[in-house]
Amino acid sequence: DAKTTQPTSMDCAEGRAANLPCNHSTISGNEYVYWYRQIHSQGPQYIIHGLKNNETNEMASLIITEDRKSSTLILPHATLRDTAVYYCIVRLPSNDMRFGAGTRLTVKP
Amino acid sequence: GAVVSQHPSWVICKSGTSVKIECRSLDFQATTMFWYRQFPKQSLMLMATSNEGSKATYEQGVEKDKFLINHASLTLSTLTVTSAHPEDSSFYICSAQGLDVVPGELFFGEGSRLTVL
Repeated sequence: DAKTTQPTSMDCAEGRAANLPCNHSTISGNEYVYWYRQIHSQGPQYIIHGLKNNETNEMASLIITEDRKSSTLILPHATLRDTAVYYCIVRLPSNDMRFGAGTRLTVKP
Repeated sequence: GAVVSQHPSWVICKSGTSVKIECRSLDFQATTMFWYRQFPKQSLMLMATSNEGSKATYEQGVEKDKFLINHASLTLSTLTVTSAHPEDSSFYICSAQGLDVVPGELFFGEGSRLTVL
């Protein structure tokens, strides 16, 4: 599976959009981009995933660049409850899921 | 989404005893389950992968005789920490993927916090 690079930490003001970047320059053609988050002392929570096209669901939007070497997770209106560690993972659906360090997002009032 | 439940959510035990953690898929058949360990302020580390009815595959550095994994049915996998020691204290998390759910999507349990005294 391709390796990902994420910023260690980010801050965001409550009510504003949170944009979390992820670099995955070695991604292969069949690998998907998955985003999960982990709130303190809980199991990871699925957010969204995509292959080539941008995706949107009730939680977030995923923007994947045309060359697929990077992506951005967008939380449109961040709340205090969105404070968590966000993990960007690139993998084939048939493979296991391995976590990097992720980005610690802190939403501030 | 599909639900994965872990039990117990926390456990305290004495050094030298064994502890069993259960992971259940409540509304889907889990063909594959994964076990992770997470130390404070660190990321999740994959310990092993188990497919229903077969032996688990352990990651390098994970002792298979210490961390016994059983995946006897499509809805249940267990992790037994044998002869636990204080250094085994950690947050253990399972995840599952399987039939009748989005291919490749993993569903995670709530985690089980083990403290060995």
